[in-house]
Amino acid sequence: DAGVIQSPRHEVTEMGQEVTLRCKPISGHNSLFWYRQTMMRGLELLIYFNNNVPIDDSGMPEDRFSAKMPNASFSTLKIQPSEPRDSAVYFCASSSSSYNSPLHFGNGTRLTVT
Amino acid sequence: GESVGLHLPTLSVQEGDNSIINCAYSNSASDYFIWYKQESGKGPQFIIDIRSNMDKRQGQRVTVLLNKTVKHLSLQIAATQPGDSAVYFCAENAGNMLTFGGGTRLMVKP
Repeated sequence: DAGVIQSPRHEVTEMGQEVTLRCKPISGHNSLFWYRQTMMRGLELLIYFNNNVPIDDSGMPEDRFSAKMPNASFSTLKIQPSEPRDSAVYFCASSSSSYNSPLHFGNGTRLTVT
Repeated sequence: GESVGLHLPTLSVQEGDNSIINCAYSNSASDYFIWYKQESGKGPQFIIDIRSNMDKRQGQRVTVLLNKTVKHLSLQIAATQPGDSAVYFCAENAGNMLTFGGGTRLMVKP
């Protein structure tokens, strides 16, 4: 089991640029989550998908953020245009469809927007 | 749990001692709880979980205790080792939405 795979591990970009973060969930997991982690706010849920369908995106900060899951093995989180306050570590996690099953996290993408 | 901003609570223990990390959760409807360990540069790693119909669950060197009356969760680590140094998060699940606490940093002194 390769675990949840995220890319890139680090991303440094200038304000105004588009950023795309990628995630491959664990095979067979039906739910996928995007979290953001900062020192000030801790771990925040941005959006989650069930069977590739977005279920709750109420955590997405604003319209500059969008997420897609075109198939069961791939998801993207896009920020356009990026701003310095978006600097954070972004985690993707997946879980099986059974109720009350633990999330398994990737190692995150550290985003720095200058 | 509330985020503690820049200042994570820190627990410092001697190698070989037992550690107890506490967490107060907020939602009385939460029925599933998880402890995660996060090492520097890595994502949170699942340690142990417990459902609300239990008050204790044991794993390898770890025990989770749940007190629903006061909405309190604790993680006990036996014979703490240097490799246990990390930030520990509790998470509560209500309606299939996982909410994380602010975390506690565990430092193990050799």
